[in-house]
Amino acid sequence: EDKVVQSPLSLVVHEGDTVTLNCSYEVTNFRSLLWYKQEKKAPTFLFMLTSSGIEKKSGRLSSILDKKELFSILNITATQTGDSAVYLCAVENYNNNDMRFGAGTRLTVKP
Amino acid sequence: EPEVTQTPSHQVTQMGQEVILRCVPISNHLYFYWYRQILGQKVEFLVSFYNNEISEKSEIFDDQFSVERPDGSNFTLKIRSTKLEDSAMYFCARRTGNTGELFFGEGSRLTVL
Repeated sequence: EDKVVQSPLSLVVHEGDTVTLNCSYEVTNFRSLLWYKQEKKAPTFLFMLTSSGIEKKSGRLSSILDKKELFSILNITATQTGDSAVYLCAVENYNNNDMRFGAGTRLTVKP
Repeated sequence: EPEVTQTPSHQVTQMGQEVILRCVPISNHLYFYWYRQILGQKVEFLVSFYNNEISEKSEIFDDQFSVERPDGSNFTLKIRSTKLEDSAMYFCARRTGNTGELFFGEGSRLTVL
């Protein structure tokens, strides 16, 4: 069965810190891995990764995928209170049309 | 691109009642999805819908659930006889193609009493 495991489950840091969130997966016929940020309601899209070793970057956020070791990391540098959210990792495969989510990492950034 | 619009934002219903949740997508979207998130739990896939037909559904999507696109625009999720455990946020999501980013609507919170 496909599995997505995120760690840590929660993390508390202070503004300015750098954080690394982890997502490991077991997926048959892997197609892509996506990162989302969920604040109050809907998950908002951050990154989609399909190839190993290619870093995707957006401002202070970056992410990379390792298809050999079956994991991805999401880095946030110089964290701000507005980064406080649950960060979700999701993977999908070529076999079907659904997307399997991890339980998320709850990040709290204190001023 | 804008995400989809969902209505209602919050619905409270009695157990056993029928509920219809609506999703209004942009017209050129072909791939639609319903996900749900029980409070404090994972986002779970329910069903995907392509070209006016169900393409995939999860084990959660049993006979109590149905989806349709009755007028070619609104995309609905119907729960025939709600149970307490159906209380959750229901998210509609869309993709332009079969791959690529999945964008979520703001969600409809369903509370079953």
